[in-house]
Amino acid sequence: DAGVTQSPTHLIKTRGQQVTLRCSPISGHKSVSWYQQVLGQGPQFIFQYYEKEERGRGNFPDRFSARQFPNYSSELNVNALLLGDSALYLCASSLAGLEYNEQFFGPGTRLTVL
Amino acid sequence: RKEVEQDPGPFNVPEGATVAFNCTYSNSASQSFFWYRQDCRKEPKLLMSVYSSGNEDGRFTAQLNRASQYISLLIRDSKLSDSATYLCVVNIANAGGTSYGKLTFGQGTILTVHP
Repeated sequence: DAGVTQSPTHLIKTRGQQVTLRCSPISGHKSVSWYQQVLGQGPQFIFQYYEKEERGRGNFPDRFSARQFPNYSSELNVNALLLGDSALYLCASSLAGLEYNEQFFGPGTRLTVL
Repeated sequence: RKEVEQDPGPFNVPEGATVAFNCTYSNSASQSFFWYRQDCRKEPKLLMSVYSSGNEDGRFTAQLNRASQYISLLIRDSKLSDSATYLCVVNIANAGGTSYGKLTFGQGTILTVHP
């Protein structure tokens, strides 16, 4: 079975632009979470979605938004990009997004903001 | 205080060595615990979940002490391929008690196994 897929792999944007990142979960998984990882730190939680509903949100500004589609894929949108948004954006899928469900990560999208 | 704190490392050990990583978490409401490994510029990969009774998977043993809010990972007979960053991960219930999977990561401990 295919694992979690993300696109694009790499992205270069300039300050003020907007970006959309995409994620497809493992087949059968209904929950998707998004994380941001900056160099030298562990991933930070941004959002979790389950059955197209937002279940949780981390401490990120409103410039960050996301949604989940009926096929359980998800998009993360970031508006008005700042230099500090440069990071690896990771998508994780799990069966139902419950606290004991194991989460499996995709390869990530590496975003560079110039 | 950080929610999840790990040994700063880095750890440099010879092949065949036994190495232990420790991790503490601050929120007693934490409910689920995991160890992930992350290779350079790759995504985190689940190594093992950590259960209250402790669990073992081959050369890897994880322990949980809820009273001390402490998690450990022991790697026996280290291999060159074990070289990676090891992330201690805790799933903390939110303030409303709603159950959902918000993983909180430690900053990671770098392990280098040398010949």
